[in-house]
Amino acid sequence: ETGVTQSPTHLIKTRGQQVTLRCSSQSGHNTVSWYQQALGQGPQFIFQYYREEENGRGNFPPRFSGLQFPNYSSELNVNALELDDSALYLCASSLNRDTTSTDTQYFGPGTRLTVL
Amino acid sequence: KQEVTQIPAALSVPEGENLVLNCSFTDSAIYNLQWFRQDPGKGLTSLLLIQSSQREQTSGRLNASLDKSSGRSTLYIAASQPGDSATYLCAARPLGDKLIFGTGTRLQVFP
Repeated sequence: ETGVTQSPTHLIKTRGQQVTLRCSSQSGHNTVSWYQQALGQGPQFIFQYYREEENGRGNFPPRFSGLQFPNYSSELNVNALELDDSALYLCASSLNRDTTSTDTQYFGPGTRLTVL
Repeated sequence: KQEVTQIPAALSVPEGENLVLNCSFTDSAIYNLQWFRQDPGKGLTSLLLIQSSQREQTSGRLNASLDKSSGRSTLYIAASQPGDSATYLCAARPLGDKLIFGTGTRLQVFP
């Protein structure tokens, strides 16, 4: 157990809808990163938040947005869902930003999103 | 742009075999390289993290090596067990950037 939780476990939406995924980081971890993992692929970095501000973004469109709250929880919001958004969404928390070579990210179990 | 590749994509071995999983990366300028385990439909469990200044790390039956000059890392699993069956992912952390993952090696160890 990493101490990182995500909700819901599974979710089914239709194309064009909006979705919010939630993550609760380990206590004391200031940084949360979100990844998208399509079936049979490795996780792809979406963005990272440090102390409630975005701290880096991968190659994802603006309809992917996030929030981080002072209580170590965070959200991933996706608007105008497309079929290709179907994937496992993982959040990972870490103590600091990616500034040291010993930094480890602790992953949650993921949310499986299916877009029909 | 950093790219990470893992070979083989899938591997099936009998219990007790020693095995090697391979990971290659295109840019040697990395902070560290990390190996993860992922069970079906689950999140990632960190196995080993090798800093850029290190050559290898060991944990129990697992040993990971890093050769930055050749852009390679290997994960060695000794005396494999059915409980080792999972997908193994390697991830490189480029300087000033986030984790870049390979596509994984799906391992099955049969009794």
